[in-house]
Amino acid sequence: DAGVTQSPTHLIKTRGQQVTLRCSPISGHKSVSWYQQVLGQGPQFIFQYYEKEERGRGNFPDRFSARQFPNYSSELNVNALLLGDSALYLCASSLEAPSGVPHFGPGTRLTVT
Amino acid sequence: AQSVTQPDIHITVSEGASLELRCNYSYGATPYLFWYVQSPGQGLQLLLKYFSGDTLVQGIKGFEAEFKRSQSSFNLRKPSVHWSDAAEYFCAVGPYSGGGADGLTFGKGTHLIIQP
Repeated sequence: DAGVTQSPTHLIKTRGQQVTLRCSPISGHKSVSWYQQVLGQGPQFIFQYYEKEERGRGNFPDRFSARQFPNYSSELNVNALLLGDSALYLCASSLEAPSGVPHFGPGTRLTVT
Repeated sequence: AQSVTQPDIHITVSEGASLELRCNYSYGATPYLFWYVQSPGQGLQLLLKYFSGDTLVQGIKGFEAEFKRSQSSFNLRKPSVHWSDAAEYFCAVGPYSGGGADGLTFGKGTHLIIQP
């Protein structure tokens, strides 16, 4: 079975711009979570979605938003990009929430200049 | 608030030698504990997890970890490392036993270097 897929792999944006990152979960998984990993740090939890509803949110500003679609894929949007938003954005899917084991995708490397 | 501490930022081990990576957690209830590995430029791969039951858990690639409630620790071990084990290792704690959806809390990671 295919694992979690994310697109794009890399992208470069300018401060103030907006970005949309995409994630497709493992087939059969209904929960998607997003994490931000700044260089040299562990991942930090941003959002969890289950059955198209937000079930959890980490300590991130309102510039960060997400949604989950009927096919359980998900998008993460970040508005008004700051230099500090440069990071690896990881998507994880699990069978259910909140008790499912997260399986991570390869991530999207975002660079803000 | 839950937290995870990985005291060792870098560890260097000779190929064939044994390995132990330390992880201490702070959590108010029975934790769900995980170890993930990350190769350069890659996502996270689950090595093993502890939810309940036997406190010694076996994972993939020959890794094991032991949950010690009295020490709030979940150390990762491998009896003989291979050059391909060089990577970043993350310990994480989850709130699943208590409900809610706060995601996993990760440590800052331990960078494992393998000497030939």
